[in-house]
Amino acid sequence: GAGVSQSPRYKVTKRGQDVALRCDPISGHVSLYWYRQALGQGPEFLTYFNYEAQQDKSGLPNDRFSAERPEGSISTLTIQRTEQRDSAMYRCASSRSFRTSGGASTDTQYFGPGTRLTVL
Amino acid sequence: AQKITQTQPGMFVQEKEAVTLDCTYDTSDQSYGLFWYKQPSSGEMIFLIYQGSYDEQNATEGRYSLNFQKARKSANLVISASQLGDSAMYFCAVSGTYKYIFGTGTRLKVLA
Repeated sequence: GAGVSQSPRYKVTKRGQDVALRCDPISGHVSLYWYRQALGQGPEFLTYFNYEAQQDKSGLPNDRFSAERPEGSISTLTIQRTEQRDSAMYRCASSRSFRTSGGASTDTQYFGPGTRLTVL
Repeated sequence: AQKITQTQPGMFVQEKEAVTLDCTYDTSDQSYGLFWYKQPSSGEMIFLIYQGSYDEQNATEGRYSLNFQKARKSANLVISASQLGDSAMYFCAVSGTYKYIFGTGTRLKVLA
């Protein structure tokens, strides 16, 4: 597609329910990132995929959060047993190139519109 | 670990004037990237400009330029000839091995 897409755009759920947030990156983009953004704050890194491999999940807050990208394209972020503190904007970003394990990336990330999650 | 500091929570600028948004960073990586993003009230994240740590010249993209001072670890964004549509939140970010670390942002308001 022309840009990164995310669905749903808005999700309201009750405490204790599981939610699945979907990200469809720019076609051909190898790298995919998930972020969480609280109101008035910058995006906070959650996890990173290189193709289908989850290379870094150090930002996931706890084991209720998981992510997958089974075919190296679409990714799903799942939050189990949601809590009110999980309410935030969840953003996905993708970038073009293959990332190596050494050195820092210089890729430009392109962000999706985000999913606004509200846990009641 | 990487860290970004944006010390200006809010800024005002008169239309058609230039404005500088501050960003300092900390990283132990020798190679890294510095990025600026704009987030208007609509909530999207719009990429503005990129500077590589080994680039000797400051990056420019239209009305945006990045004042990169490596020794001081600063990467300030300069917007020339401000327009009303520039009113938004601006985030600075530094890239690590896998992570991108964002600052807390500066809210810019352009006055007519």
